[in-house]
Amino acid sequence: TQLLEQSPQFLSIQEGENLTVYCNSSSVFSSLQWYRQEPGEGPVLLVTVVTGGEVKKLKRLTFQFGDARKDSSLHITAAQPGDTGLYLCAGDPNAGNMLTFGGGTRLMVKP
Amino acid sequence: EAGVAQSPRYKIIEKRQSVAFWCNPISGHATLYWYQQILGQGPKLLIQFQNNGVVDDSQLPKDRFSAERLKGVDSTLKIQPAKLEDSAVYLCASSGTLRVSQFFGPGTRLTVL
Repeated sequence: TQLLEQSPQFLSIQEGENLTVYCNSSSVFSSLQWYRQEPGEGPVLLVTVVTGGEVKKLKRLTFQFGDARKDSSLHITAAQPGDTGLYLCAGDPNAGNMLTFGGGTRLMVKP
Repeated sequence: EAGVAQSPRYKIIEKRQSVAFWCNPISGHATLYWYQQILGQGPKLLIQFQNNGVVDDSQLPKDRFSAERLKGVDSTLKIQPAKLEDSAVYLCASSGTLRVSQFFGPGTRLTVL
């Protein structure tokens, strides 16, 4: 079983601060996805990274896939209250789209 | 474009009772997934369908869980009999083909008393 560990589990910050969320594994993934989930809703895909060392930016969010395709990070610049939610990483081990999810990072951004 | 639909949104049952969840994927999506998300954890894949065939059900507790997608469109997930540890949100997702983004429904929150 391939496991994905996310850290931190919880993060409470003030509006305007920067933060980084980590997703680590001892296994290699063909791709890795980041989702955001709000209470009472299903996860919503933010980004998919495929190539080792790849960096993708989505407005104030920067996603990086590790060179060895075993880990990833999500960096948020100048966080806003609207960024509050559960951030999940999910790895696809063999391009079969059978995702393994991490435990999630619950982010709260206070105004 | 309509999203993934799930019903019911909430269900409360007593242990040893049976329960069924329904999912209607996005129109034209061939692949359908059922996930279990226990409170405080990430989703865990239970079963993956490609059209009306099972691609993977290795994490489905087959002694009590069953799922079907008879016509390759909507799907049902059943638990019989339910246990306390089955309390969770059951998420359905669909994707156009393998290796394409998954779109999730809002989930069914099951409470087993």
